[in-house]
Amino acid sequence: DGGITQSPKYLFRKEGQNVTLSCEQNLNHDAMYWYRQDPGQGLRLIYYSQIVNDFQKGDIAEGYSVSREKKESFPLTVTSAQKNPTAFYLCASSRTGGFDEQYFGPGTRLTVT
Amino acid sequence: GNSVTQMEGPVTLSEEAFLTINCTYTATGYPSLFWYVQYPGEGLQLLLKATKADDKGSNKGFEATYRKETTSFHLEKGSVQVSDSAVYFCALSEYSGGGADGLTFGKGTHLIIQP
Repeated sequence: DGGITQSPKYLFRKEGQNVTLSCEQNLNHDAMYWYRQDPGQGLRLIYYSQIVNDFQKGDIAEGYSVSREKKESFPLTVTSAQKNPTAFYLCASSRTGGFDEQYFGPGTRLTVT
Repeated sequence: GNSVTQMEGPVTLSEEAFLTINCTYTATGYPSLFWYVQYPGEGLQLLLKATKADDKGSNKGFEATYRKETTSFHLEKGSVQVSDSAVYFCALSEYSGGGADGLTFGKGTHLIIQP
């Protein structure tokens, strides 16, 4: 079955630690995205990538970093510089950028204490 | 910039009632419009989409029409079921000169259907 996997489902970290969230897709999609979801705020775009070895900042990139070394993988690192990292993180992909619909993974809930 | 405004919930209806969730948007060009649904603890699933004015997207009894003149994309269903209880997100995608910019989402509408 084709789809997007995110791991782990739940992640707990201490304040001051960097943490990396995994996102893998086997849909052969070119574009991949990371969103953050907070209660009552909808989803906000953190980073996106249209092709391998290229990515752009979204609306709330501060305190986050990404890499796109392989087409199927787009890991997100939440650094200690992110002031409020506790949230639900969603990864998505689309065939190309622009008007194509995006397909979402199941999400990772990160709790930092 | 782009924005999406949708009615916030929770919206509570009885089973078999008629559903409307309003969505209006602001965009500089000609966006594609989407409705996504999210069940508790899960990611988002695409429910339906429309890519140009007057297009009607439909799926699983839900439908929405792209109205350019009113910049709206309201979601409707004639008879809701308990299993429709979820959070619904309206979103738009607009291709910029630089490529994919990601989706712009509304804040979501929590729908609760009571038996």
